[in-house]
Amino acid sequence: ILNVEQSPQSLHVQEGDSTNFTCSFPSSNFYALHWYRWETAKSPEALFVMTLNGDEKKKGRISATLNTKEGYSYLYIKGSQPEDSATYLCAWENYGGSQGNLIFGKGTKLSVKP
Amino acid sequence: ETGVTQTPRHLVMGMTNKKSLKCEQHLGHNAMYWYKQSAKKPLELMFVYSLEERVENNSVPSRFSPECPNSSHLFLHLHTLQPEDSALYLCASSPRELIPGQPTREQYFGPGTRLTVT
Repeated sequence: ILNVEQSPQSLHVQEGDSTNFTCSFPSSNFYALHWYRWETAKSPEALFVMTLNGDEKKKGRISATLNTKEGYSYLYIKGSQPEDSATYLCAWENYGGSQGNLIFGKGTKLSVKP
Repeated sequence: ETGVTQTPRHLVMGMTNKKSLKCEQHLGHNAMYWYKQSAKKPLELMFVYSLEERVENNSVPSRFSPECPNSSHLFLHLHTLQPEDSALYLCASSPRELIPGQPTREQYFGPGTRLTVT
């Protein structure tokens, strides 16, 4: 069974707090790891696609790291704002898998209180 | 706005009905996808089209029938559905055709169709 696990399931922080959450995935046959941000009543929006072990990507206050050998990725949000409230999804793409077949985790739901 | 639109946004249908979901993108993408999200489950890939050819069917029951008439449009035809098929159905597209040996690019999602089967 190919599982992608995300933790925690939900997170409540105060405005200005920095936070991070985890995505775990099978380390074998790794191809790419995708992060998406999904606000309520909107479409999921791509944040990062990461392919290289040790890679770190940044977009504004959000950054992500990747460890393909141990099978995890961290997403960091610095100085959380209420507009960061959303569900953050990661998805694993495996080598040798079917083309475009992303296996998603259940997501981490972040709520930022003003 | 991601540039991917879906209609209808909400649909209620009986088990004997036939309906279709529509997805449209004018981003110049060559790969399109259907996903299903049931309550408390992760997004599950249903179908993948690359250059208008189906390249993936993730063991989806035949009561779901996809159609990709051109690279901008994707349909999901529904017939004799079951109540457990009630879910959010999302369409997505990605910037280029799927090339064996290369990971996919980021996917652009539509807002989804909330389907209720009664």
